[in-house]
Amino acid sequence: NAGVMQNPRHLVRRRGQEARLRCSPMKGHSHVYWYRQLPEEGLKFMVYLQKENIIDESGMPKERFSAEFPKEGPSILRIQQVVRGDSAAYFCASSSKTEAFFGQGTRLTVV
Amino acid sequence: DQQVKQNSPSLSVQEGRISILNCDYTNSMFDYFLWYKKYPAEGPTFLISISSIKDKNEDGRFTVFLNKSAKHLSLHIVPSQPGDSAVYFCAPLTQGGSEKLVFGKGTKLTVNP
Repeated sequence: NAGVMQNPRHLVRRRGQEARLRCSPMKGHSHVYWYRQLPEEGLKFMVYLQKENIIDESGMPKERFSAEFPKEGPSILRIQQVVRGDSAAYFCASSSKTEAFFGQGTRLTVV
Repeated sequence: DQQVKQNSPSLSVQEGRISILNCDYTNSMFDYFLWYKKYPAEGPTFLISISSIKDKNEDGRFTVFLNKSAKHLSLHIVPSQPGDSAVYFCAPLTQGGSEKLVFGKGTKLTVNP
């Protein structure tokens, strides 16, 4: 799964700031997923994207969170006006028709 | 959205014995079933998969069994090793790409030396 690149690995933000998490999928993969893992919890689905298209965002909080996967460049998960409760590990996965691999995650800490 | 259920949150086995992790699903349209292993503070690592047209896939110590009529799959690890201690997730995948990749809540496996 080293092919899926997430950066930064660690991100510290003060309350009210914006957090931008990046995910570059594996070569040949056209779909990207974002997941959040809170302490002591499993992987919670957030959003599923194809290039320039959001397929399923049913797991995204209604406010402050947005995601995009542009034609060129990485997928971005954007969290505006972060709060302490946004502190978590955010994982990105990319998939083809038969496989899906994960990045190492971005650990967001809101202070 | 409980399309995937892993009903055992934890499992403890002795080194050398067999570990059996179970997963139930509801959607009969899934084409592939993927198993992941996750260590703390790391991303999930792909372990093994099985196509819906098969009932068994084996890779070294890992074997996945699929019972489509029961909508049930299981991952067998034999012999279990202490390094296998991790959280295991199953995740079905739809080939058409229209369904999101959903995960069970995971089973925490502990292999005792």
